[in-house]
Amino acid sequence: DTGVSQDPRHKITKRGQNVTFRCDPISEHNRLYWYRQTLGQGPEFLTYFQNEAQLEKSRLLSDRFSAERPKGSFSTLEIQRTEQGDSAMYLCASSLATTYNEQFFGPGTRLTVL
Amino acid sequence: GQNIDQPTEMTATEGAIVQINCTYQTSGFNGLFWYQQHAGEAPTFLSYNVLDGLEEKGRFSSFLSRSKGYSYLLLKELQMKDSASYLCAVSDSNYQLIWGAGTKLIIKP
Repeated sequence: DTGVSQDPRHKITKRGQNVTFRCDPISEHNRLYWYRQTLGQGPEFLTYFQNEAQLEKSRLLSDRFSAERPKGSFSTLEIQRTEQGDSAMYLCASSLATTYNEQFFGPGTRLTVL
Repeated sequence: GQNIDQPTEMTATEGAIVQINCTYQTSGFNGLFWYQQHAGEAPTFLSYNVLDGLEEKGRFSSFLSRSKGYSYLLLKELQMKDSASYLCAVSDSNYQLIWGAGTKLIIKP
């Protein structure tokens, strides 16, 4: 396994458009996380899955954001009606559901909303 | 509330030693992680501490004091490639990672 992968690596879109990102975690990892990161800040938690169940979603996350992990493997994050404030790096991470919980990150998708 | 504090930026000289501090207040504690993040790249794991004391791994060491809510990352024999942001993250009572904003380390020749 080559690690966590994300697609696309870069996305430029116009305000109001919908975008969808994909994350493929490390195959044996049952936890999958989505984060958003802006310049000079740490990762901001968006949501996480254990297998196919979405167990937690940030209260800061608007209804325009939705995530799925239908078969407990890859996950998608969709942003509807994008706004300029959505411009950020979107990071996916995966881990095993143990107390240690080291998270392995993908390369991220950089979103620019014009 | 939950809070992780670390300095915004530090500067050090190639070949020297630098210590990056992190203080935390979280709902529960299940370990503290340090990650390195180069500009435009994803964070990569450096260290994990769950018991008090010093963990050494090559040029990098990490220390934890749970009673003080305090950790530091020590980088020795600094190299130019160590220029990066260093993120402190605490695993809380739900085993979720609470992240600091990161410390940008600038290495000068």
